[in-house]
Amino acid sequence: NAGVTQTPKFQVLKTGQSMTLQCAQDMNHNSMYWYRQDPGMGLRLIYYSASEGTTDKGEVPNGYNVSRLNKREFSLRLESAAPSQTSVYFCATQSGLGAKNIQYFGAGTRLSVL
Amino acid sequence: AQKITQTQPGMFVQEKEAVTLDCTYDTSDPSYGLFWYKQPSSGEMIFLIYQGSYDQQNATEGRYSLNFQKARKSANLVISASQLGDSAMYFCAIGGSARQLTFGSGTQLTVLP
Repeated sequence: NAGVTQTPKFQVLKTGQSMTLQCAQDMNHNSMYWYRQDPGMGLRLIYYSASEGTTDKGEVPNGYNVSRLNKREFSLRLESAAPSQTSVYFCATQSGLGAKNIQYFGAGTRLSVL
Repeated sequence: AQKITQTQPGMFVQEKEAVTLDCTYDTSDPSYGLFWYKQPSSGEMIFLIYQGSYDQQNATEGRYSLNFQKARKSANLVISASQLGDSAMYFCAIGGSARQLTFGSGTQLTVLP
């Protein structure tokens, strides 16, 4: 039972390059999330998808796009990477039932933009 | 809007002692949940414990308990009988009607042998 799988685990980009971070879950959860974590800070929400076919902006969406490909998969795309996007990116899922919104996280993708 | 404040950037505790990690929150949602996550040095986020705003009793999960004081808007995590493996970053988070979580900045706990 893999839970939430993120690929790749590490990535180095040059400024201006593009890339897509992949997230897949086998928990049959409706909601999926993308966060970034910068040194010394908590997680900040980039985008989320409450259910298949819907996406919404979070706290820090600028410079990112997302696609909810199906119930299992939620990808995050950087069209033109900037050094300010150097961070650790986490995908999370949630069953979406009431206020007990336990989120389960992937292992993270560590991204460096030079 | 929701907000979490963790005022202890770092904490030290002796092995086998208990430790309390502080968390205060602010929200306009009438129904909400408080969460604690552990992030070891390996980087993954591990769910520890949950407390609902309408739960009458404080939540417990093994050595973890949540000291929930609604009037003070605090949700402190208590770890009993600390172990070396408890050394990690701990994050408090709040969730409400928007089905999103808002995280605090975290507390780095170091357990001393």
